[in-house]
Amino acid sequence: DAMVIQNPRYQVTQFGKPVTLSCSQTLNHNVMYWYQQKSSQAPKLLFHYYDKDFNNEADTPDNFQSRRPNTSFCFLDIRSPGLGDAAMYLCATGQATDNQPQHFGDGTRLSIL
Amino acid sequence: QQQVKQSPQSLIVQKGGISIINCAYENTAFDYFPWYQQFPGKGPALLIAIRPDVSEKKEGRFTISFNKSAKQFSLHIMDSQPGDSATYFCAASSHNTGKLIFGQGTTLQVKP
Repeated sequence: DAMVIQNPRYQVTQFGKPVTLSCSQTLNHNVMYWYQQKSSQAPKLLFHYYDKDFNNEADTPDNFQSRRPNTSFCFLDIRSPGLGDAAMYLCATGQATDNQPQHFGDGTRLSIL
Repeated sequence: QQQVKQSPQSLIVQKGGISIINCAYENTAFDYFPWYQQFPGKGPALLIAIRPDVSEKKEGRFTISFNKSAKQFSLHIMDSQPGDSATYFCAASSHNTGKLIFGQGTTLQVKP
């Protein structure tokens, strides 16, 4: 049973055309994370929500935005994708209680034409 | 100080052998050390994790060894199988932030 679900699994967009990736969870975790993972690299944290509090990483480009309308859903918006934004985007959830593990979805593979 | 250094970058092991991946950290505030396994086209999956109050944790064929004084921890995969072929990431976090700091990853290939 999938607990962190990402849609779509594959997304192709044009250079500069806004795109939205979605993530939903059935774990009722209060923290949701977005990571960018490029080929042969570790996941890189973009930002996370602790409940409704948004926490941006210092080096996350302004081009990347996020929304969390409720506990179960979180969205990643890329306002003007560039070729360098082609990557796997991973959503993860966690419960902010004494270092509980993060649970990852299977990601969305984003390609830029 | 926030880095986690992982080695080797790649590893080839014969079926039935022992796979060993090492990680080192600097930040003494880290208090949670998970290992993730990632197959191509999939998200990382939690494999096993340890906290610094124990020196070893074993789950099936997977064992974490933890050396607090040396600030090192390692993953041992006993009786390695071709199905274990994947990329392995060590990570560290502190209860203050909950953020995972990942190692660079190790690509493991287990030959039949």
